[in-house]
Amino acid sequence: EDQVTQSPEALRLQEGESSSLNCSYTVSGLRGLFWYRQDPGKGPEFLFTLYSAGEEKEKERLKATLTKKESFLHITAPKPEDSATYLCAVQAIGTASKLTFGTGTRLQVTL
Amino acid sequence: NAGVTQTPKFQVLKTGQSMTLQCAQDMNHNSMYWYRQDPGMGLRLIYYSASEGTTDKGEVPNGYNVSRLNKREFSLRLESAAPSQTSVYFCASSEVNRDTQYFGPGTRLTVL
Repeated sequence: EDQVTQSPEALRLQEGESSSLNCSYTVSGLRGLFWYRQDPGKGPEFLFTLYSAGEEKEKERLKATLTKKESFLHITAPKPEDSATYLCAVQAIGTASKLTFGTGTRLQVTL
Repeated sequence: NAGVTQTPKFQVLKTGQSMTLQCAQDMNHNSMYWYRQDPGMGLRLIYYSASEGTTDKGEVPNGYNVSRLNKREFSLRLESAAPSQTSVYFCASSEVNRDTQYFGPGTRLTVL
């Protein structure tokens, strides 16, 4: 059974204080790993897709990386507007439509 | 270009009542999905439609039915609502069934 574990559950950072969120996964064969951002009361917003170990993608202050067992979402010099819950999901080879989600990391960035 | 839209935004039902959640997308996507999100749990797939005219069960289909009305619209029906179906429901779509999924704003359902 595919599993996704995200840590920490919650993270509080000061503006400018860089950190990383972790997504550990077990899957029979990884087709893709997805990162989403979710604001309170809203639907998940797509950030990145990673397909193979060693791959990296960047968007503004966010950078996602992938290894064979985990993915990291690095947040550099965060701002209060980066406050949100960050969700990780995996898609296994042969399960074309099924995403298995983690429970998310709730990030709060304060001034 | 509104993306994925859902109606209603909020709904309160009594146990045993029925209702249909509506979802539409304007991105010309082939695949559509229904998820539920509960506190402390990840998003879980209820049903999906890989293409117009097809539907398949996901991880938690019991108590739900779906209809792919056309390429744009995918509805979720609760025939006899139960308190265990209190949740936030999200619709999503993707160009094909292996691609990135894009989510709607959600419907918050409470069953008393």
